[in-house]
Amino acid sequence: QVQLVQSGAEVKEPGASVKVSCKASGYTFTGYHMHWVRQAPGHGLEWMGWINPNSGGTNYAQKFQGRVTMTRDTSVSTAYMELSSLRSDDTAVYYCASRGGGPPLGCWGQGTLVTVSS
Amino acid sequence: EIVLTQSPGTLSLSPGERATLSCRASQSVNSGFLAWYQQKPGQAPRLLIYDASTRATGIPDRFSGSGSGTAFTLTISKLEPEDFAVYYCQHYGSSPQTFGGGTKVEIK
Repeated sequence: QVQLVQSGAEVKEPGASVKVSCKASGYTFTGYHMHWVRQAPGHGLEWMGWINPNSGGTNYAQKFQGRVTMTRDTSVSTAYMELSSLRSDDTAVYYCASRGGGPPLGCWGQGTLVTVSS
Repeated sequence: EIVLTQSPGTLSLSPGERATLSCRASQSVNSGFLAWYQQKPGQAPRLLIYDASTRATGIPDRFSGSGSGTAFTLTISKLEPEDFAVYYCQHYGSSPQTFGGGTKVEIK
């Protein structure tokens, strides 16, 4: 079945960078965009952007331009989201999501908690 | 950027009652590319409805979506205990994709 498995929780200091991975299985990884969405504690969902795993092309939300980098490694069907210059308000659960051959954003990873604290 | 406004913020209902959730867009959503998600505490969002009115696989038929242009509705015909959760709408017809602020459906 279609599955997205993310890396584990991270604790980072302000100013550092974090890189979250998302391993896909059960579908053709290169066939569908991988999106990243975050959710701060007690808040709603925020779309960060997507990567086209086939071409490597990206589309970032303006809010994250210059701080986010989405990459992929097709040999291991894994997408990555790196966020730099971390601030306390970047503390959130970060999700990857894809259509995985089905409807838009029909499949989500389990989420990765990133805590930014000194 | 399309801003999605969900109302009400909180809906207090009893099991068996009908829930009507609204999502209004600041400009027309291309081709009805509007989705609804359910999220329970500690879980990832689950897709319920896409293309404004198509139920995702495995979603019970008590969930229905309707609307077009700038006004969309999610209806839960008879609330089951497992339906009490937060619901989000999202548009994916243009960039940036955005989510509404959510509606919490709580037990009255």
